[in-house]
Amino acid sequence: DAGVTQSPTHLIKTRGQQVTLRCSPKSGHDTVSWYQQALGQGPQFIFQYYEEEERQRGNFPDRFSGHQFPNYSSELNVNALLLGDSALYLCASSSPSVTDEQFFGPGTRLTVL
Amino acid sequence: AQRVTQPEKLLSVFKGAPVELKCNYSYSGSPELFWYVQYSRQRLQLLLRHISRESIKGFTADLNKGETSFHLKKPFAQEEDSAMYYCALSWDNTDKLIFGTGTRLQVFP
Repeated sequence: DAGVTQSPTHLIKTRGQQVTLRCSPKSGHDTVSWYQQALGQGPQFIFQYYEEEERQRGNFPDRFSGHQFPNYSSELNVNALLLGDSALYLCASSSPSVTDEQFFGPGTRLTVL
Repeated sequence: AQRVTQPEKLLSVFKGAPVELKCNYSYSGSPELFWYVQYSRQRLQLLLRHISRESIKGFTADLNKGETSFHLKKPFAQEEDSAMYYCALSWDNTDKLIFGTGTRLQVFP
């Protein structure tokens, strides 16, 4: 099991563009959470998906949206990119029926120019 | 609102010295507290959580509800403990984690 995987590793976009980040959860996990980690900060919760629905959301604007597929993989979409969206985006998976431990992926580094 | 504070950005010690990484939280209910660690070029991983009351890699952390603290301690630091440490909070089985800003621990030989 490769654990949580994310793609791409790095991404460079310009202001106003749209971006899609992808996450495959650890085998056996059905819940995916997304976090934004700005430089020098701790991860900030964006939202969580379970059974293909957004279950919880942090304090992020509607420009941030997501999706979960039947195979539990997930996408994070960000529209109308701002310079301040430059950050490391982390995906974490869990299986709350078994354990509440969240397993993190390596992250996608997004740079907005 | 829930908040986690880690007052030290950097903590430097020599091998064999005791280590205490501070974490304070604000939440009026019963929180779940965690310590996550990120070693160089590795992903963020769970180190320990207060409900399990375990000692992992020699680290322990006690939840002090009176002082709203969850400090991470180790009596004798090792060079391999050098990493970034994040304190995190969740509540009411939400699985939503609130992280502190992290403390970088440097252990010198």
